[in-house]
Amino acid sequence: SQQGEEDPQALSIQEGENATMNCSYKTSINNLQWYRQNSGRGLVHLILIRSNEREKHSGRLRVTLDTSKKSSSLLITASRAADTASYFCATGNTGGFKTIFGAGTRLFVKA
Amino acid sequence: AAGVIQSPRHLIKEKRETATLKCYPIPRHDTVYWYQQGPGQDPQFLISFYEKMQSDKGSIPDRFSAQQFSDYHSELNMSSLELGDSALYFCASSLGTPTGIHTIYFGEGSWLTVV
Repeated sequence: SQQGEEDPQALSIQEGENATMNCSYKTSINNLQWYRQNSGRGLVHLILIRSNEREKHSGRLRVTLDTSKKSSSLLITASRAADTASYFCATGNTGGFKTIFGAGTRLFVKA
Repeated sequence: AAGVIQSPRHLIKEKRETATLKCYPIPRHDTVYWYQQGPGQDPQFLISFYEKMQSDKGSIPDRFSAQQFSDYHSELNMSSLELGDSALYFCASSLGTPTGIHTIYFGEGSWLTVV
């Protein structure tokens, strides 16, 4: 990975449960974005959180950012089978166009 | 809504051949990014362009080159292809902002297989 690690690498849960994925990064950032990728498909943007924000919500998604620990978490509540995908965090820094991805968490939601 | 368009979607080339991938960003987006994703790997940043100028460079091999044209579309040229170049190549686009925070939108990718 160019930036950091995602934790866990794989997660298997039952439908209706919550899923939490973590992301750590190495450099200073001004924003962090979460993406979803279905197998062999393009990455779909989920949510962006700025470095001066600590928490953000979008539907069933909740993202937190702790810049002191250089980490972020993505919580998906009331998961559905359709949430099965890989989830990546990506970071950007000030004035640059070099968004770097973490290694991704593979989420399996069993019906 | 219009998305990022990549072509071709699938490409098979032999070793040492050359391949060109094309990317058409979302209308009015002025920034284009290229990523390479190997099987089971995270997307690796290759290169980006802002307003037709190269802005950032990542792990792009010297055998690869890219440019952004006056209509903002971009092409990634890959020469002397190696088996290890087989991957899914993503193009993404965003609208450059003075604050430097860019929501990036991805195309569906171009599958390159080198045989």
